[in-house]
Amino acid sequence: AQTVTQSQPEMSVQEAETVTLSCTYDTSESDYYLFWYKQPPSRQMILVIRQEAYKQQNATENRFSVNFQKAAKSFSLKISDSQLGDAAMYFCASNQGGSEKLVFGKGTKLTVNP
Amino acid sequence: KAGVTQTPRYLIKTRGQQVTLSCSPISGHRSVSWYQQTPGQGLQFLFEYFSETQRNKGNFPGRFSGRQFSNSRSEMNVSTLELGDSALYLCASSLSVSPTDTQYFGPGTRLTVL
Repeated sequence: AQTVTQSQPEMSVQEAETVTLSCTYDTSESDYYLFWYKQPPSRQMILVIRQEAYKQQNATENRFSVNFQKAAKSFSLKISDSQLGDAAMYFCASNQGGSEKLVFGKGTKLTVNP
Repeated sequence: KAGVTQTPRYLIKTRGQQVTLSCSPISGHRSVSWYQQTPGQGLQFLFEYFSETQRNKGNFPGRFSGRQFSNSRSEMNVSTLELGDSALYLCASSLSVSPTDTQYFGPGTRLTVL
């Protein structure tokens, strides 16, 4: 069974600084995908970034990038130039190829200080 | 294009009752998944539907059931409610069952069981 672990329940960062959120996962599958989702307070969950396991190149989306270490089963999210609007719960998730079922970590609450 | 809608947004029920939650996916989306979010257990997968067929089911008791209609709208039902069923129930839709398709989440239905 797949498991996803986020070891940082809470993190804080100063506006304009960089922060890295950690995630480790475990799977016996060779075909899987990894995701970071953002859930702002009382707002809908949205996809931040996605990584295909078969791709060695780390995914990037504007200020968001990942550090994907397949052998270590690690998938961290780096947020550069943090903004107040980045404050939210961040969930790391994975699924197996061919399935929409997502397995989520417990989440990391990110606070951005002005 | 309208996003994923869920009705009702809030529900209060008592133990032993049953409840039906509804999810309308984004127009053109044929895949719908349901998740239960609680502070203790986090986000847990309930069901996945595609073209009116249940493709996956999470590790929940038989009191939890669901279905999908020909217009892709989905409902989930919980019978004989227990206090532990209090949670935010999230629905997500995507174009198909490809993991490369982004899953778009609805705002959720907040269920409180008294």
